[in-house]
Amino acid sequence: GEDVEQSLFLSVREGDSSVINCTYTDSSSTYLYWYKQEPGAGLQLLTYIFSNMDMKQDQRLTVLLNKKDKHLSLRIADTQTGDSAIYFCATGRRALTFGSGTRLQVQP
Amino acid sequence: DGGITQSPKYLFRKEGQNVTLSCEQNLNHDAMYWYRQDPGQGLRLIYYSQIVNDFQKGDIAEGYSVSREKKESFPLTVTSAQKNPTAFYLCASSGQRDSNQPQHFGDGTRLSIL
Repeated sequence: GEDVEQSLFLSVREGDSSVINCTYTDSSSTYLYWYKQEPGAGLQLLTYIFSNMDMKQDQRLTVLLNKKDKHLSLRIADTQTGDSAIYFCATGRRALTFGSGTRLQVQP
Repeated sequence: DGGITQSPKYLFRKEGQNVTLSCEQNLNHDAMYWYRQDPGQGLRLIYYSQIVNDFQKGDIAEGYSVSREKKESFPLTVTSAQKNPTAFYLCASSGQRDSNQPQHFGDGTRLSIL
């Protein structure tokens, strides 16, 4: 079946850039997604990229897609303490397959 | 404001009891989904529905049931056959059944066993 993998934990200092990585197996998805989850809350759609794009920038967020290596990354510029959360990568045509999430810890 | 409403926020189940989790959306979305999240893990698909009066099993449908009688509503019943129901349940919806539209999520229901 489809598989999405992420590293479990990332710690950065406030003001630095964060890069969260994801690899996937399903190459048929039209879109690939990044979601953010804060403690006890649902998932918030952060951004998504069309599968025929290499890069998408949205304010402090930059998504890079390497289709050959099936690698997706999310870069957060000028990381703030409010960015501390779990970040999920997801792919799929209808129902989504999610990674296990990367916990981002931002230290003041 | 448009959105997805899940209720209740917290739910407790006794042994042998069925419980129903509510999910309502006013986004006029065709497709709706139920996911289960266990601590430290990603989301796993329970059931999804692309259109009213139709739904499909996901990866972990055993012990769960759903209905889709109205476009706005997609309730999930956790039956007594589900032996390990303690989890965080998330409902989502997306715009069009035959295209790849982003899924938007509710705030979740946390289910525990008494």
